[in-house]
Amino acid sequence: QVQLVQSGAEVKKPGASVKVSCEASGYTFSSYGISWVRQAPGQGLEWMGWISGYNGNTNYVQKLQGRVTMTTDTSTSTVYMELRSLRSDDTAVYYCARTKGPKGGYYFDSWGQGTLVTVSS
Amino acid sequence: QSVLTQPPSASGTPGQRVTISCSGSSSNIGRNFVYWYQQLPGTAPTVLIYRNDQRPSGVPDRFSGSKSGTSASLAISGLRSEDEADYYCAAWEDSVNGPVFGGGTKLTVL
Repeated sequence: QVQLVQSGAEVKKPGASVKVSCEASGYTFSSYGISWVRQAPGQGLEWMGWISGYNGNTNYVQKLQGRVTMTTDTSTSTVYMELRSLRSDDTAVYYCARTKGPKGGYYFDSWGQGTLVTVSS
Repeated sequence: QSVLTQPPSASGTPGQRVTISCSGSSSNIGRNFVYWYQQLPGTAPTVLIYRNDQRPSGVPDRFSGSKSGTSASLAISGLRSEDEADYYCAAWEDSVNGPVFGGGTKLTVL
């Protein structure tokens, strides 16, 4: 069965960077993209961006352009999300999610367990 | 402020039918598919409805989705206590070049 296993919780200071991993199994990695979706405490869901498992192409939400980088390691079927210049409002649970559908119709059919990133001085 | 508008809360008694609305615009729901996600307390979301009204395998037929113009609805019939969760609608937003979510609706089973 499809599984996405994420790295553990992180505590970072404002201005620092965080890198979260998401290891995929149970499917052909190159056949699907992975999106990152975050959820601030008590808040709703926010899509951050998408990376192709086939060729590493990316599509980031404009508000995070310049601060976020998503990469893949096809040898280990792992996706990484790095967020730089962290601010307190980046405190959230970060989810990776297998993404189906073409551009214009993304949806998320399997999710990781979530990684809590806390930004605090 | 979410791009898609959902009521913050909904409630019903066991066995009842409940509907959750999701309002958008021509740049999202009006021209793209709608998706619904269920998030049980303390867990990751799961997809309930895709492409407006399609149910993934394993999702009970008590859950149904519909779309009309720039609005969509999720209906849950035969309400059960285990349906108590947060529900989110989502659709592609042309101006974002990506999907956007509603603010979520907390469903309480009385």
